[in-house]
Amino acid sequence: GAGVSQTPSNKVTEKGKYVELRCDPISGHTALYWYRQSLGQGPEFLIYFQGTGAADDSGLPNDRFFAVRPEGSVSTLKIQRTERGDSAVYLCASSLMQGQAETQYFGPGTRLLVL
Amino acid sequence: AQSVTQLGSHVSVSEGALVLLRCNYSSSVPPYLFWYVQYPNQGLQLLLKYTSAATLVKGINGFEAEFKKSETSFHLTKPSAHMSDAAEYFCAVSWGGGSQGNLIFGKGTKLSVKP
Repeated sequence: GAGVSQTPSNKVTEKGKYVELRCDPISGHTALYWYRQSLGQGPEFLIYFQGTGAADDSGLPNDRFFAVRPEGSVSTLKIQRTERGDSAVYLCASSLMQGQAETQYFGPGTRLLVL
Repeated sequence: AQSVTQLGSHVSVSEGALVLLRCNYSSSVPPYLFWYVQYPNQGLQLLLKYTSAATLVKGINGFEAEFKKSETSFHLTKPSAHMSDAAEYFCAVSWGGGSQGNLIFGKGTKLSVKP
């Protein structure tokens, strides 16, 4: 079956611009997570959705970052007034959320470069 | 604060040799533990996970890991390395489902396999 997909695969933008990153989770997965992976680091949690609502956004670094999941499926991560420090790979993961330690399935990521 | 430490950012082994990738966690409460593998330009793929059942966990591609509570460790091993094992490996922990299912990752260990 289809896995988690993310678009675009690469995004180059200029400092100060607005970007949107899209995640299509596995069909039927109610839980959706966004992570950010900087060069040489492991992924870091950004935000978690259960259904349509953001159940935990404690990992968002500041108010320039925002994410939505209006119909409980596709999610969009939005970054305003991008900064060079936002350059990273943004990963999306989804899971069935049926219990503890549910396996998260990751997409290939969007590589964002802010010039 | 809870954290995950992976000793060795790079590990190099010869084909056919033992693979040992180290992971230690810092927490007073034993977490759920995961090993993910990341091939270039691909998403993270789950190798195996520990969910408080058997302490020796077998995963895909011949990998296994043993949870040792007294050592707060979850090291990943494979008896005989194959060229296709060359990738980056991430150890991760979580403490439940839902909003407690957010994964905390180590910085990763890049495994090279020499012919």
